[in-house]
Amino acid sequence: AQTVTQSQPEMSVQEAETVTLSCTYDTSESDYYLFWYKQPPSRQMILVIRQEAYKQQNATENRFSVNFQKAAKSFSLKISDSQLGDAAMYFCAYRTPYTSGTYKYIFGTGTRLKVLA
Amino acid sequence: DAGVTQSPTHLIKTRGQQVTLRCSPKSGHDTVSWYQQALGQGPQFIFQYYEEEERQRGNFPDRFSGHQFPNYSSELNVNALLLGDSALYLCASSSPWTGRNTEAFFGQGTRLTVV
Repeated sequence: AQTVTQSQPEMSVQEAETVTLSCTYDTSESDYYLFWYKQPPSRQMILVIRQEAYKQQNATENRFSVNFQKAAKSFSLKISDSQLGDAAMYFCAYRTPYTSGTYKYIFGTGTRLKVLA
Repeated sequence: DAGVTQSPTHLIKTRGQQVTLRCSPKSGHDTVSWYQQALGQGPQFIFQYYEEEERQRGNFPDRFSGHQFPNYSSELNVNALLLGDSALYLCASSSPWTGRNTEAFFGQGTRLTVV
């Protein structure tokens, strides 16, 4: 069975500094997607960044980038120039392959990010 | 463009009661998935609906059932509520028509408290 592990329950970062959130996963599949979602107190899951497993190039979205190590099954999120608005729960998620018209997301337990002014 | 909308936002029920949660998918989306997020945990997959059929189910008892309507909206029903069913219930919608690039959009969830 696929699993997603986030070993950092909480992280803190100074405003304008850089922080890296860790995620490891386990799967026997070769074609899948990985995501980082942000969940602020408003509760809505907001997509931060997406990585296709078949792409070797690491995804980047403005201040957010990932370090995707497929062989090591590692998928970390780097937030550069941290802002107060980045404070939230961050979830790493694995999306199962799209087969027979269905798929599902498997989430980690989350990392609470605090941004210090 | 309205995103995924869920109702109600909050709900308090008594043990043993039944509850129905509702979800309207994002415009253009025809696939709806439901997730349960217990306090301090990540969301857990309950089931997914497409073309009014349950396509995949997670490890949840039969007390959890669902339905999808012709307009793609969906309901999650939970019977014989237990204290442990207290959680945030998230609805996610997507469209299979974009193929590989399908990603889910989440609603704000329904906070269910069982007392």
